[in-house]
Amino acid sequence: GQQVMQIPQYQHVQEGEDFTTYCNSSTTLSNIQWYKQRPGGHPVFLIQLVKSGEVKKQKRLTFQFGEAKKNSSLHITATQTTDVGTYFCADIFFSGGYNKLIFGAGTRLAVHP
Amino acid sequence: KAGVTQTPRYLIKTRGQQVTLSCSPISGHRSVSWYQQTPGQGLQFLFEYFSETQRNKGNFPGRFSGRQFSNSRSEMNVSTLELGDSALYLCASSLAGLLDSYEQYFGPGTRLTVT
Repeated sequence: GQQVMQIPQYQHVQEGEDFTTYCNSSTTLSNIQWYKQRPGGHPVFLIQLVKSGEVKKQKRLTFQFGEAKKNSSLHITATQTTDVGTYFCADIFFSGGYNKLIFGAGTRLAVHP
Repeated sequence: KAGVTQTPRYLIKTRGQQVTLSCSPISGHRSVSWYQQTPGQGLQFLFEYFSETQRNKGNFPGRFSGRQFSNSRSEMNVSTLELGDSALYLCASSLAGLLDSYEQYFGPGTRLTVT
């Protein structure tokens, strides 16, 4: 079935270091979405990328969509303890007559002060 | 503007029972999606309702069903509960829907434990 592979599974960084999580698919991605979920919390929508090669920035967060639309990345510059959480990517796949939002397994980020 | 609310927040049920979870979307939002989150399977899409119609569907068995009312409130029902149904059930509302470039807002979830 459709899969969205996300790496790494875990990342431990010192506060101030950069962090990147990658999302890959064997099929073409359509509308890649990124979410953040704090420990004990619910997912919060961060951004949606639609166009090939698209780059969007939100303060210290930079989101990229690959030229071939097979991968996407989220990069955080100079991490802070408030960045702690799990970052998920998700995309919409069509099968069996329905659209389905498929999530990656997530990257859990720990930031050490 | 009030956020997405889900009731109840916690629930304990016995295997074989059925359960109904409720979700009230943000005012004006017509799309409600439901998700199951478990440590083993991660976040999985159950279904999406828009204007009282199921518009999109994940890969869950027929024991999982839902509906949406004219005020956009949605309920999710799970019949014949199994131990593996223990999970955090999240709903999310959106102005338009899955295929539109509109942000989804998640509720706090209902933590279901099946014993």
